[in-house]
Amino acid sequence: LAKTTQPISMDSYEGQEVNITCSHNNIATNDYITWYQQFPSQGPRFIIQGYKTKVTNEVASLFIPADRKSSTLSLPRVSLSDTAVYYCLVGEGSNTGKLIFGQGTTLQVKP
Amino acid sequence: DAMVIQNPRYQVTQFGKPVTLSCSQTLNHNVMYWYQQKSSQAPKLLFHYYDKDFNNEADTPDNFQSRRPNTSFCFLDIRSPGLGDAAMYLCATSREGPKGEKLFFGSGTQLSVL
Repeated sequence: LAKTTQPISMDSYEGQEVNITCSHNNIATNDYITWYQQFPSQGPRFIIQGYKTKVTNEVASLFIPADRKSSTLSLPRVSLSDTAVYYCLVGEGSNTGKLIFGQGTTLQVKP
Repeated sequence: DAMVIQNPRYQVTQFGKPVTLSCSQTLNHNVMYWYQQKSSQAPKLLFHYYDKDFNNEADTPDNFQSRRPNTSFCFLDIRSPGLGDAAMYLCATSREGPKGEKLFFGSGTQLSVL
């Protein structure tokens, strides 16, 4: 089983900010938190990665509290093209790089 | 330029006829993964290689095998495909792995079983 829990689905409207929270209560001390976006019939695409505090890039921000047991992906001013499934991944605590996807969050952006 | 390349993009096979899917990478990454993704489901890890070490998931059917002859290439062999094996197969790489580093995905191979 994946070590992450996310809401199954979210709805938003164009131009709004969207925040998706992921729980990872058993994250290992040295593990990264990584978010991916996936469109139908395509492989997942990297969005953002962080270890602690806040990370921002040209498409999103990632907020990580001090205890690192959760993280929040923030998408500013979403558009229809942001309709996709969003996954957060953390390490599985293995020495071999095992990475398991949770159920993901389906974001539907409406006009 | 594509860094993780999967061939073919679409593959049609017959029930019970062996099929091989291929993946290559130009990133020189240590870890390679094979995921199976069925419609409206999350990718499911089948197995992964940490360098030359093969790591099979406990619930991966014996029908699925893999080979990694060198750092750049990895193959997924389905010995006797059933109708339930129709899915998107995703290959991914990561530089080192143990800390949950960034995954680089190929475009996937969509497998149909007739």
